[in-house]
Amino acid sequence: QLQLQESGPGLVKPSETLSLTCTVSSGSISSSAYFWGWIRQPPGKGLEWIGNINYSGSTFFNPSLKSRLTMSVDTFKNQFSLHLTSVTAADTAVYYCARTWPNQGPFDIWGLGTMVIVSS
Amino acid sequence: SYVLTQPPSVSVAPGKTASISCGGNDIRTKTVHWYQQKPGQAPALVIYYDTDRPSGIPERFSGSNSGNTATLTISRVEAGDEADYYCQVWDSNSDHFVFGTGTKVTVL
Repeated sequence: QLQLQESGPGLVKPSETLSLTCTVSSGSISSSAYFWGWIRQPPGKGLEWIGNINYSGSTFFNPSLKSRLTMSVDTFKNQFSLHLTSVTAADTAVYYCARTWPNQGPFDIWGLGTMVIVSS
Repeated sequence: SYVLTQPPSVSVAPGKTASISCGGNDIRTKTVHWYQQKPGQAPALVIYYDTDRPSGIPERFSGSNSGNTATLTISRVEAGDEADYYCQVWDSNSDHFVFGTGTKVTVL
């Protein structure tokens, strides 16, 4: 059964860069059949899509975050990463990575999530 | 950008039927997915492509999509169905995924 695991610092200072990695296990990130995404959830609030990437590095991002966002993929390590610059307290959230299908498909497999707090 | 509106809360007695609405402009033209999120857990897919159920999801969960409203229906509600539920679509006009505002289902 494919599994995803988020990792990264739990505390980031304001104005710095938030960097997270998602490791895919029991399956290959190199499959052309899927995209890989990030979704976040501020404490007590709803879900917000951040962006998606595929094995070849094709990306598409939430327009509200696009100017601060980069994503990358490492097929050798079976990982994909998120980098969000110039963070503020509004970026405090649980960050989830997930697998999704092309053509409007759902997010069918999710990681457990990792809490990131933006604070000095 | 595209907005999906859900009722903040729905209460239902055990054994009864819960209906959770997801309103969006002409949502019938989009494919809708539904997620269940229990406290402290990641969301889990319960309905995809409007009406399909992933393996392992009980037949009690069903979906529909018509006009400006998509609906998740939970029949014969059990205590274990108590959770937050989110709808989700792909907005082709802005090229991004949109989640609904979420509905907390309480089993009385």
